[in-house]
Amino acid sequence: DIQMTQSPSSLSASVGDRVTITCRASQSVNSYLNWYQQKPGKAPKLLIYAASNLQSGVPSRFSGSRSGTDFILTISSLQPEDFATYYCQQSYSTPRTFGQGTMVEI
Amino acid sequence: QVQLVQSGAEVREPGASVRVSCRTSEYTFTNYYMHWVRQAPGQGLEWMGIINPSTIYAQKFQGRVTMTRDTSTSTVYMELSSLRSEDTAVYYCAGENGVNFSFDYWGQGTLVTVSS
Repeated sequence: DIQMTQSPSSLSASVGDRVTITCRASQSVNSYLNWYQQKPGKAPKLLIYAASNLQSGVPSRFSGSRSGTDFILTISSLQPEDFATYYCQQSYSTPRTFGQGTMVEI
Repeated sequence: QVQLVQSGAEVREPGASVRVSCRTSEYTFTNYYMHWVRQAPGQGLEWMGIINPSTIYAQKFQGRVTMTRDTSTSTVYMELSSLRSEDTAVYYCAGENGVNFSFDYWGQGTLVTVSS
């Protein structure tokens, strides 16, 4: 199974800050890497697909990038509604595996 | 607008089984791969398996999980047997885009509580 390792597990930031979350795959997943946002009591929501593509309707302050097996989710200017937990997920193979999540506190 | 509508919360005793349903549109049912993901209280997301219409299950659930689908109602089902307290979780169905392989759509979640 492909292991996905996210860091940090949690972070505190202020409105307007630039936030980066890293996800490392244990082996190549090409660009089959997705990012989700989950708010308490809600289902996850797709933010970024295929490493760097913004899902329709998602604000442009969210972006994704890839360097080998390392992936980065960036929030360019943190907003109050961005308080949530963020998960990466590889879709290169089954089992589909998720990172352990990064909780972003405002 | 694509919607995945799941069945309501369930309470089961240890050793019992539970079946959760996920109803969607004919278009979504035909064009998306359907997955099941669970989330234990305060924990992360755990992939359980896919039905499309063949099934692949996570090794952890092999022998205990069965995923089926009903084409006449565009509904997929996930049945988990031999329940134990550790199976207490919110269970989600999710529709995977067959081009980008991303989980574009999610059900609202079904809480399954296993308790004596």
